[in-house]
Amino acid sequence: NAGVMQNPRHLVRRRGQEARLRCSPMKGHSHVYWYRQLPEEGLKFMVYLQKENIIDESGMPKERFSAEFPKEGPSILRIQQVVRGDSAAYFCASSPVQGRYGYTFGSGTRLTVV
Amino acid sequence: AQSVTQPDIHITVSEGASLELRCNYSYGATPYLFWYVQSPGQGLQLLLKYFSGDTLVQGIKGFEAEFKRSQSSFNLRKPSVHWSDAAEYFCAEDPSGNTGKLIFGQGTTLQVKP
Repeated sequence: NAGVMQNPRHLVRRRGQEARLRCSPMKGHSHVYWYRQLPEEGLKFMVYLQKENIIDESGMPKERFSAEFPKEGPSILRIQQVVRGDSAAYFCASSPVQGRYGYTFGSGTRLTVV
Repeated sequence: AQSVTQPDIHITVSEGASLELRCNYSYGATPYLFWYVQSPGQGLQLLLKYFSGDTLVQGIKGFEAEFKRSQSSFNLRKPSVHWSDAAEYFCAEDPSGNTGKLIFGQGTTLQVKP
């Protein structure tokens, strides 16, 4: 039973390019959460999605960032026109139902903007 | 504001010694509490979680944590540390119990001396 799969593990983008980060939840998990780990700031919640629905995006920056979790395929975190400040580790977590069973995290995507 | 505090940024212990990592949460009559461990360049691994019931929780790798409502604490302990335990440890809370919106502490880096 594979865990939460994130790819790519490392992503380098030039300023102004787009970054697409993918997350496949654990089998049987229908809830996906994205977190960002910025240097010196710790892990911060970004967005919570279920299939085809955004449940809570209160942690998402207002511009350039979007997330989706389509009916088929992985969840995608998309960052348009990346800037140096977007350089961070982005983690995805999943759970079978909301809350009680805990959250399984992937190994993360480390985005570097040059 | 809701917060999770890990007072110790860095701790060094000798191999074989006991360990206690402190965590204080600030919100929630019935908090969901977690401890995660992160090795360098890796994702987060769940050590243990507390939702309700017995206040002493057993986790993986010989770790345990005790929930103390009166002190708003959820300290992580291990009786005998191994060199492989060197990593960063994060305490987290889901204040509403079922949102997936974890609030993480700043982390404690554990160094193990031979």
